[in-house]
Amino acid sequence: EAGVAQSPRYKIIEKRQSVAFWCNPISGHATLYWYQQILGQGPKLLIQFQNNGVVDDSQLPKDRFSAERLKGVDSTLKIQPAKLEDSAVYLCASSLDLGIGELFFGEGSRLTVL
Amino acid sequence: AQSVTQLGSHVSVSEGALVLLRCNYSSSVPPYLFWYVQYPNQGLQLLLKYTTGATLVKGINGFEAEFKKSETSFHLTKPSAHMSDAAEYFCAVSESRGTDKLIFGTGTRLQVFP
Repeated sequence: EAGVAQSPRYKIIEKRQSVAFWCNPISGHATLYWYQQILGQGPKLLIQFQNNGVVDDSQLPKDRFSAERLKGVDSTLKIQPAKLEDSAVYLCASSLDLGIGELFFGEGSRLTVL
Repeated sequence: AQSVTQLGSHVSVSEGALVLLRCNYSSSVPPYLFWYVQYPNQGLQLLLKYTTGATLVKGINGFEAEFKKSETSFHLTKPSAHMSDAAEYFCAVSESRGTDKLIFGTGTRLQVFP
């Protein structure tokens, strides 16, 4: 079974530039999550989708971050404009459905903002 | 609000020695608790989870954890460490049952010496 796919694995940009990350969850998984993992910290949930609807985006900095999952399958997370403090690993995860209690994570996209 | 505290950002053990990684949680409702492992340059992988029932939970790779409500703890143990156990370990609590919104601790890096 193919796992959660993310791209790009690494991205270096200058502050105020924009960046987009892509995630393809495990086939059939209804729930998709984007987490931000800053060096030395645990992952923090940015946004949670159930199919193509948003379940929780309370911790997404909406002035600069946006995410979509238009067809209920793959998802894109965008940052525009980027700030230095956005340097982190962006993890995508999926689960079969809500309440299952097991998330499957991708390898992450490491962003460095200079 | 739910929170997780992992005592010790780094733990070092000799190969064959007992592994003990500590996790304490705070939750206003009966918690769902998780341990995830992250190997270098890889995504997080579920080791084990507690939802209901037996308080001693067994996971993959010989790890187990015990839910102790009176101590609000969910410590991770393994009787005999192996070199391949070297990784970062994250404890997490589900913010509310059925949502799979996980609150992660800051992680504990396990080193295993020969």
